[in-house]
Amino acid sequence: NAGVTQTPKFQVLKTGQSMTLQCAQDMNHEYMSWYRQDPGMGLRLIHYSVGAGITDQGEVPNGYNVSRSTTEDFPLRLLSAAPSQTSVYFCASSWESGINYGYTFGSGTRLTVV
Amino acid sequence: GESVGLHLPTLSVQEGDNSIINCAYSNSASDYFIWYKQESGKGPQFIIDIRSNMDKRQGQRVTVLLNKTVKHLSLQIAATQPGDSAVYFCAENGNNNNDMRFGAGTRLTVKP
Repeated sequence: NAGVTQTPKFQVLKTGQSMTLQCAQDMNHEYMSWYRQDPGMGLRLIHYSVGAGITDQGEVPNGYNVSRSTTEDFPLRLLSAAPSQTSVYFCASSWESGINYGYTFGSGTRLTVV
Repeated sequence: GESVGLHLPTLSVQEGDNSIINCAYSNSASDYFIWYKQESGKGPQFIIDIRSNMDKRQGQRVTVLLNKTVKHLSLQIAATQPGDSAVYFCAENGNNNNDMRFGAGTRLTVKP
């Protein structure tokens, strides 16, 4: 099993550009989520999904879109990149909602918006 | 609002010593807690978890202690090794949005 795979590992965007961060898991997990990690702060939830076709907002959803067309994939779209979105992004998955099970995290995407 | 926090942002220990990393939580509704380890340039890695019906849980060289009376969680690492150098997060499930809440982390440095 590859676990949770995120691509790309690094990305530089100009303000206003859009892009998609990819996330795929091969563990047949129902729950998937996206976090951003900023210096000195804990992981903050952007969006999450409890199964294919179901998504919901987390703590910091503005400027991001998600979709979940398959169990395996959960891409995160930045609609119009802003410098405030410079961060490290992590995708995670779990058997259920995660509040009763631990998450498996990807290795992260380091995004810089200039 | 309620939050998860860590008492110390950094901890430096000598190789071979035991390490103790602390975490305070304030949501009395939380009944599941996890410790994660994050090495530089990597994603968080699950270390150990504990449910509120337990006070202590042991893994390989790690022990988690839960004190519900004072809402305190700790991670003990026995015989700390250089490979233990990382940032350690605690997380609790007492959140409103179907998710765990993560602390900011404690950076553990192991001196040879």
